[in-house]
This record gives sequence, structure tokens and C-alpha cells, in this order.
Amino acid sequence: DTEVTQTPKHLVMGMTNKKSLKCEQHMGHRAMYWYKQKAKKPPELMFVYSYEKLSINESVPSRFSPECPNSSLLNLHLHALQPEDSALYLCASSHRDSSGYEQYFGPGTRLTVT
Amino acid sequence: GQQLNQSPQSMFIQEGEDVSMNCTSSSIFNTWLWYKQDPGEGPVLLIALYKAGELTSNGRLTAQFGITRKDSFLNISASIPSDVGIYFCAGQPSLGYQGGKLIFGQGTELSVKP
Repeated sequence: DTEVTQTPKHLVMGMTNKKSLKCEQHMGHRAMYWYKQKAKKPPELMFVYSYEKLSINESVPSRFSPECPNSSLLNLHLHALQPEDSALYLCASSHRDSSGYEQYFGPGTRLTVT
Repeated sequence: GQQLNQSPQSMFIQEGEDVSMNCTSSSIFNTWLWYKQDPGEGPVLLIALYKAGELTSNGRLTAQFGITRKDSFLNISASIPSDVGIYFCAGQPSLGYQGGKLIFGQGTELSVKP
């Protein structure tokens, strides 16, 4: 089983709203990732969690706040977003964050900021 | 930063034709991954390659890890309409690898005419 689940599938929010994206995996993976993807472009890494600790933050604006409550769950808290933040947000996981481990992606959350 | 050059950017082919796409880098990679992404969905891992010269098949798909460790190709034989989508290569560089940070190609958009 190589399934990563994400909720919600679609989200529309205003610039003053607070919302959260959720990601879950039950593969025993210890590395989890958030990516942002614009149409027909490759995914752009936002955050990496390794053993539930934030290991990489790709200079993401503070209006995006990640959280890893346990080894199976990853959240992305959203606040005061801008219209240019509209994109497909992807979660991924891998056994480890070191070289030699493939990443498995979830289906994504399509976010629209109005 | 490190980049992957993926070509071609797009392909329009007839059903039944074979397809070939490749990725090249100026630096050495330890791992090559090939993903397919359907519209509105997350990337799905097709093939993972870990050794120089490795040739791996997955059904009608065949991928190879270049002997110089600087390139990889993906072949699709006897294409069918459901092969339509965007194919991304991704790699883990040998030097300066930050845990979990894949380098992505720009994608190859495949269209298949029935």
C-alpha cells in the first residue's frame, strides 16, 4: 500500500479566512513533505518533516504554517492568504528523507483564494 | 541551483506509437524517479532507479539510469489514450543533497490521438 490521503479535495477561502489542509499516510514513513504546484509546472518544495521535526523550510511566507502532530499526520495551516497562493497543494511521504528513498504523493488539495 | 533538462516539452502522437523522453543534468545523481500526473491529481510514481546503467520495466514503460549518472530516459511502448498526462523526471543529486529535496524536470506533456 503506497497511499497518501489528503483532505479536503477542494478549498475556496477568502483572504481573511483561516483554514487547514490535512495529510495522512500509514506506510510507516518518517519523512513527510508539503509541495505547491501551479498548472503544468513541477511541484515546488515548501516544507520537509523528518521524524516529526521540521528539517527544511524553503523560505515559505509565515501565512503558511506546517504542523506534524505524529508520524502519520501532516497539517498545513493557512491564514491571510493572497490570490497568488491559489494552487494545487501536494503532500508526499518517504521512508526517510535521505538519498535512495522514493517519495509518494497524495492526490492534492486544489486551493482557490478569493 | 541544480536543474534537470527534460525533453521534449510536449508530444502529440498517434495511438500505438512508441514514446521516448529524457532528462539530463550537468551534475551526478544518485536516484532517478519518473512520475506521471493526470490533470487535477497528484503525481504517481512510475519507476525508481538507483544504480548507473540500471534498466527497469513496469508494463509498457521502460526507464534507464544513464551510465554517466547524469541522465535518464523513459520509454512508453504502444501508447494508449490513458497514457495522456504530464510526465516528470525527478532526481536526488549526489553532491550537496538536502534531505528530501528532489530536483524536478519541467515535465513532458503527452497527448495521444486515438
